[in-house]
Amino acid sequence: QVQLRESGPGLLKPSETLSLTCTVSGVSVRSGNYYWTWIRQPPGKGLEWIGYTYDSGFTNYNPSLKSRVSISVYTSNNQFSLRLTSVTAADTAVYYCARGLGPAPKDSWGQGTLVTVSS
Amino acid sequence: SYVLTQSPSLSVAPGKTASITCGGTNIGSKSVHWYQQKSGQAPVLLIYYNSDRPSGIPERFSGSNSGNTATLIISWVEAGDEADYYCQVWDSSGDYAVFGGGTKLTVL
Repeated sequence: QVQLRESGPGLLKPSETLSLTCTVSGVSVRSGNYYWTWIRQPPGKGLEWIGYTYDSGFTNYNPSLKSRVSISVYTSNNQFSLRLTSVTAADTAVYYCARGLGPAPKDSWGQGTLVTVSS
Repeated sequence: SYVLTQSPSLSVAPGKTASITCGGTNIGSKSVHWYQQKSGQAPVLLIYYNSDRPSGIPERFSGSNSGNTATLIISWVEAGDEADYYCQVWDSSGDYAVFGGGTKLTVL
């Protein structure tokens, strides 16, 4: 049974860097079959795809965030991470990590973690 | 950028059929995926690649896709189906995934 769990700071100040980790159990992140993905959801709003890492290193990002985001995989810990620089209040959201069957469909999700950006 | 359009809300009586639509230019040429998100929970994949169901998803949930509209159909609606429903596609021109704005299903 695949499980994903997000972890990281829940409160940031504007201009700081958001760093989240997703710990995966039940499957190896080294598996070339899956796309390890981050998605976010601002309070009361819809879902926004952030990006994925695939095949232990290939990455793809939302063009609207590309200049500020990076996703990395840590095979020794069976984890992957999200880094988003220069955050503003607009980055306040619940951040989900998920496993993708392909570039789009996500069949397993973490429970989500709320990150608030406030001075 | 590719835009997916969903009606914000839909109300259906128990036992009836709910049809949730997702509009996009020539969406019939793309693969559409559907998610259910109940209040305070993470989304759950309901339908992928237009009409496939992951294991554990009831047959009451089905999907179709043609022309400029994809549709999620929920047959024999139950109170437990009350949730937000999102469609998603891969925009190959922009090389990223796009979500619709979501439809809130209310069971009367």
